[in-house]
Amino acid sequence: SQQGEEDPQALSIQEGENATMNCSYKTSINNLQWYRQNSGRGLVHLILIRSNEREKHSGRLRVTLDTSKKSSSLLITASRAADTASYFCATGPTGANSKLTFGKGITLSVRP
Amino acid sequence: NAGVTQTPKFQVLKTGQSMTLQCAQDMNHNSMYWYRQDPGMGLRLIYYSASEGTTDKGEVPNGYNVSRLNKREFSLRLESAAPSQTSVYFCASSEALQGPGSYNEQFFGPGTRLTVL
Repeated sequence: SQQGEEDPQALSIQEGENATMNCSYKTSINNLQWYRQNSGRGLVHLILIRSNEREKHSGRLRVTLDTSKKSSSLLITASRAADTASYFCATGPTGANSKLTFGKGITLSVRP
Repeated sequence: NAGVTQTPKFQVLKTGQSMTLQCAQDMNHNSMYWYRQDPGMGLRLIYYSASEGTTDKGEVPNGYNVSRLNKREFSLRLESAAPSQTSVYFCASSEALQGPGSYNEQFFGPGTRLTVL
């Protein structure tokens, strides 16, 4: 069953704008991760945020986590055409020996 | 380091044929995974191997078998391919599964595009 659900399903913005993508989940998590997938390629890990963290930065990426609302957001600042890709959130449940569960993804298009 | 490699990149099968998808990682990871990706369905876990010598079913295991040949290699076998198995298959690996104090990112291969006619 799908744990994380991303919103919106598709997003189209102009180069230079910020892109905000959201992920909601249903059960308690140990961590939440965001991945990027370029067309025809495998997924690439972007950032991991632990359940006891509220915000994390990596370059132009900012991830927030609100465990009370069971939601996370990924912000890409000053977007570039090269950011065009699909973005997935993946949740790591609590409990030992758990597996990540991936959402269905968000398609981001950045227009030059 | 090559990371996670998969062969073949593309394959066309007829219904009823069998094939094995190969996956290898050179990061000394303990855990390996097979996913399928279908339009609008995201990634679904087929099988995984928490460590060498163990394999377990994921969300959609029917019609598939796996072998963890050694720590590096994890293969996926379709014994009798069906059109419903047309998909893109991804292999991934991680240091370990998730858990208390265990926060592990996954590394993905480039995928195998399989078409079953």
